[in-house]
Amino acid sequence: QSALTQPASVSGSPGQSITISCTGTSSDVGGYNYVSWYQQHPGKAPKLMIYDVTYRPSGVSNRFSGSKSGNTASLTISGLQAEDEADYYCSSYTSSTTWVFGGGTKLTVL
Amino acid sequence: QVHLQQWGAGLLKPSETLSLTCAVYGGSFGDSYWGWIRQPPGKGLEWIGDIWQSGRTYYNPSLKSRVTISVDPSKNQFSLKLGSVTAADTAVYYCARGQYRRDIWGQGTLVTVSS
Repeated sequence: QSALTQPASVSGSPGQSITISCTGTSSDVGGYNYVSWYQQHPGKAPKLMIYDVTYRPSGVSNRFSGSKSGNTASLTISGLQAEDEADYYCSSYTSSTTWVFGGGTKLTVL
Repeated sequence: QVHLQQWGAGLLKPSETLSLTCAVYGGSFGDSYWGWIRQPPGKGLEWIGDIWQSGRTYYNPSLKSRVTISVDPSKNQFSLKLGSVTAADTAVYYCARGQYRRDIWGQGTLVTVSS
C-alpha cells in the first residue's frame, strides 16, 4: 500500500490560516469517511486532532478543522499560533481493511 | 484517565525478534482496538497492525509475514513481535488505542537494530 501524499512543508504567520492536503485514491481517502489527522511535536508521541474527516476530539481547539473532497482530505488551522508548529500526519482506512499514513507535513510558524 | 505504558528491548542484532508490550492503565480494556505504529528516525509514521480485544488482527501487508500482535485481557496488555529484524526496522515504536481514532498513545520505544 502506498503512503498518502502530503506536502513536505507549509508555513504561515501568526493569525493566518493554513491548509494541509492529503491525497489518496478511491480505495482509501475517497472511499471512506475515516480520515484522521495527527499533530506531532519533536520527540513526542502523535496527538489526535481530527477523526472521521471532520470531528474534533474533546480538548482540541476549534481552530483545527477537517474536510474532504474526492480523494483529497484537508486539515485547516485558523488563527495560527506559535504552538501549532509541528509535524502533521493524515491517516486513512483502506479497502484492504488496513490503514495508511501520509508522509507528513512540517508546519512552520513564521 | 486511560494511559498506555510500553516496554521492551531497545537494542537488537539482525535476525533477532523484536518484542514489545503495552499495558493499559486507568480504563477498560474491552470494546477497543489496540495497535502498533512505528517511526524510523527522521521519517514518517508507518502503521504496523491492530488487534481487537477478541484477538482478531489486522496487519500491514508489507510486514505481515514477520508480525504477530497478541492480547492478554487478563493483564490489560497487548504485545508486538516482529521477527527477522534488520537495520530497516530501526524506529520508535508506539502503541495506541483505537483504529478510526487513535486517541491515546504510549510514550514510544526506540528500537535499534545493529550488529
